[in-house]
Amino acid sequence: DAGVTQSPTHLIKTRGQQVTLRCSPKSGHDTVSWYQQALGQGPQFIFQYYEEEERQRGNFPDRFSGHQFPNYSSELNVNALLLGDSALYLCASSVGLAGVWPYNEQFFGPGTRLTVL
Amino acid sequence: SQQGEEDPQALSIQEGENATMNCSYKTSINNLQWYRQNSGRGLVHLILIRSNEREKHSGRLRVTLDTSKKSSSLLITASRAADTASYFCATPTSGTALIFGKGTTLSVSS
Repeated sequence: DAGVTQSPTHLIKTRGQQVTLRCSPKSGHDTVSWYQQALGQGPQFIFQYYEEEERQRGNFPDRFSGHQFPNYSSELNVNALLLGDSALYLCASSVGLAGVWPYNEQFFGPGTRLTVL
Repeated sequence: SQQGEEDPQALSIQEGENATMNCSYKTSINNLQWYRQNSGRGLVHLILIRSNEREKHSGRLRVTLDTSKKSSSLLITASRAADTASYFCATPTSGTALIFGKGTTLSVSS
């Protein structure tokens, strides 16, 4: 049973460019959440997708957008990249939206390391 | 924004010693979770403690929760080199999104 997978593993972009990161959830999971983790910091919640809609959003600008596909996989898009967007981007999958354990346990992927030059 | 704040930021111990790290949070919670992260990679869920629980054990892990002080502690007994990692506490929002602290970096030397 494959866990959460993310691609690519590493990515280098320059300021002003756009980037797309991809995530496939754990088998049986239908909810995908994205987190940004700057160096030396804890992960910060970006947004969450369920039934192909953004359901919850953290304190991130509109340059951060996402999409969820019918097979539950998800993309994170970041436009007009800034140096401060350099971080590890983590995807987590879970079941449903209700905060009921163990269904809301989040399983994390290995992350995509984005470097903006 | 960060909900939890771990203390200490860094901890260095010898194999066999116990490691204790603390987490403080700001708002009322339904549960508190601890995660481990190896070398800046994905997070692994360690243990969840509900707001009506005071202590929970899982193998060499012991977690306590004091809701009156809005704090939690994670104790790792008989540490091993393989326990070297960053440890984060996290609390859920109204949905399933998590708010993480800044983490404690644990280094266990043999």
